[in-house]
Amino acid sequence: EAQVTQNPRYLITVTGKKLTVTCSQNMNHEYMSWYRQDPGLGLRQIYYSMNVEVTDKGDVPEGYKVSRKEKRNFPLILESPSPNQTSLYFCASSSSPYHYEQYFGPGTRLTVT
Amino acid sequence: LAKTTQPISMDSYEGQEVNITCSHNNIATNDYITWYQQFPSQGPRFIIQGYKTKVTNEVASLFIPADRKSSTLSLPRVSLSDTAVYYCLVHAGNNRKLIWGLGTSLAVNP
Repeated sequence: EAQVTQNPRYLITVTGKKLTVTCSQNMNHEYMSWYRQDPGLGLRQIYYSMNVEVTDKGDVPEGYKVSRKEKRNFPLILESPSPNQTSLYFCASSSSPYHYEQYFGPGTRLTVT
Repeated sequence: LAKTTQPISMDSYEGQEVNITCSHNNIATNDYITWYQQFPSQGPRFIIQGYKTKVTNEVASLFIPADRKSSTLSLPRVSLSDTAVYYCLVHAGNNRKLIWGLGTSLAVNP
């Protein structure tokens, strides 16, 4: 089954404790992206990757890091989480830079206290 | 860059046709328009995409006028299961810049 998986689905952590949210897709997609979703603010792109070893900032990259060492994986790293990063996070992928149907993961609900 | 604006919420009844309009000022020549549907606690799901005129698939139609400054998602004969948030997205061509609307919360009533 074609899918995007994220782990963990729920995470409660404390300020400053480094964490990684994993994202993996089994569709051999080149393009992957991370979003955060907050009430009243819709979906905002954090980082995206056009292909392996190619990443770029989205609209709200501050406080986040990403890497793309393999085509299928695109982890999101919070080196020093803060309470303003409490949010719902989605990973997405699509088949090519010219194909606009993105497939989204189930989401990771992060709470930073 | 194009900015997308859509109504915050809409109400409808089962069996009616629902039209949700998105305004995208300053849309560029190579921008595509895409719509997604999102249910609570799930990731958005692709509904339809278009560039100009009309596109239709098994679940919706997308109408784009000649000036392309707006687009209308049409859902025929909605049911309770169509209650969701609908997002308009403008895709700014090859550089993959994405301009998301804030979403329209559609409530379908019995």
